[in-house]
Amino acid sequence: GQNIDQPTEMTATEGAIVQINCTYQTSGFNGLFWYQQHAGEAPTFLSYNVLDGLEEKGRFSSFLSRSKGYSYLLLKELQMKDSASYLCAVIASDYKLSFGAGTTVTVRA
Amino acid sequence: IAGITQAPTSQILAAGRRMTLRCTQDMRHNAMYWYRQDLGLGLRLIHYSNTAGTTGKGEVPDGYSVSRANTDDFPLTLASAVPSQTSVYFCASSKTGVTDTQYFGPGTRLTVL
Repeated sequence: GQNIDQPTEMTATEGAIVQINCTYQTSGFNGLFWYQQHAGEAPTFLSYNVLDGLEEKGRFSSFLSRSKGYSYLLLKELQMKDSASYLCAVIASDYKLSFGAGTTVTVRA
Repeated sequence: IAGITQAPTSQILAAGRRMTLRCTQDMRHNAMYWYRQDLGLGLRLIHYSNTAGTTGKGEVPDGYSVSRANTDDFPLTLASAVPSQTSVYFCASSKTGVTDTQYFGPGTRLTVL
């Protein structure tokens, strides 16, 4: 099976920056997604990386290093509504999407 | 409103019963997926379909079956439910395949007693 690791929980203050790391050991690599999931809701798309480097989209950025099997999601200017689970997911050589267990981010006032 | 719907929203089921979870999308997406989400384990792929008429097995297919008779519908059937199938089930679709963004339905919360 594929191995995708991310921290279970993180806490940060409103207005701060939080970085969620994701490391993966998979059979091949064909892309990496980040999804956001609020409690009791469906996951929604945040970002997709297939080449090394940083992808920026508003307050959210995602970074990928394929040689290190590593990605991070950077959330800037945190808002209370950013309290959610963040899911890292990797497409391996079998072209199936494998998800990490998710990181629950709590934003405090 | 275009999107993906699932039914029922929640269900309590006796062990041994047969159950079909429904999933319908109106985005004309070719690919569809079924996941289960359990606390601490994240989303796990059960079955998928890259296009109408084809299906494939995911990470945890045992005890589940799917069909894809047309583009819009992708039902998931539990032939004889067991308590370990208690979970939240999400259906998703993407335009052409796994490298495209997946859009998720609202989920079905299933409890097998």
